[in-house]
Amino acid sequence: GAGVSQSPSNKVTEKGKDVELRCDPISGHTALYWYRQSLGQGLEFLIYFQGNSAPDKSGLPSDRFSAERTGGSVSTLTIQRTQQEDSAVYLCASSLRSTGVYNEQFFGPGTRLTVL
Amino acid sequence: DAKTTQPPSMDCAEGRAANLPCNHSTISGNEYVYWYRQIHSQGPQYIIHGLKNNETNEMASLIITEDRKSSTLILPHATLRDTAVYYCIAPIYNQGGKLIFGQGTELSVKP
Repeated sequence: GAGVSQSPSNKVTEKGKDVELRCDPISGHTALYWYRQSLGQGLEFLIYFQGNSAPDKSGLPSDRFSAERTGGSVSTLTIQRTQQEDSAVYLCASSLRSTGVYNEQFFGPGTRLTVL
Repeated sequence: DAKTTQPPSMDCAEGRAANLPCNHSTISGNEYVYWYRQIHSQGPQYIIHGLKNNETNEMASLIITEDRKSSTLILPHATLRDTAVYYCIAPIYNQGGKLIFGQGTELSVKP
């Protein structure tokens, strides 16, 4: 079946512009996560959504970052007034649920963001 | 997450077993140990998880010590395609399962 998809696969933008990154999770998965990986750095948790609960935004690095999940499915990560340090691969993952024993997370291929 | 400690790198000969250790001495009684790997330029891939019993699936085996302070991921017959960074993670119970990745172990499988 279809896995997690992300778009665009690559995005080049100029410093100060806003960008939107999209994630389509696996159908039926109620939990959705965003991570990012900077060049040469490890994977960093950003935000997660579980059903209709308030999202856990504890990993967002600044108020320029926001995310929403419409209808419990597609999610959009928005970065306002991009900075060069925002350049990274942004990864989305989904899982069946996120309570108790956590199910495996399925990752998408990522969006490579380059801020010039 | 319970802090996990892994060696930064390991080598393994193709066809041999790869044994990747992880220390998690501060793990709580209800925190599972998860293993993921990331092949170059790809998203992370789930491998296996366990609480206190040893686990095996089609990809690997997970051996957890009786005191749960450490574990070992075993790839029984490593191939060149197993070259990747392997992450051992223990998500905090009831915090949504968000993964806090450390530096992991870079496994190089050599012919």
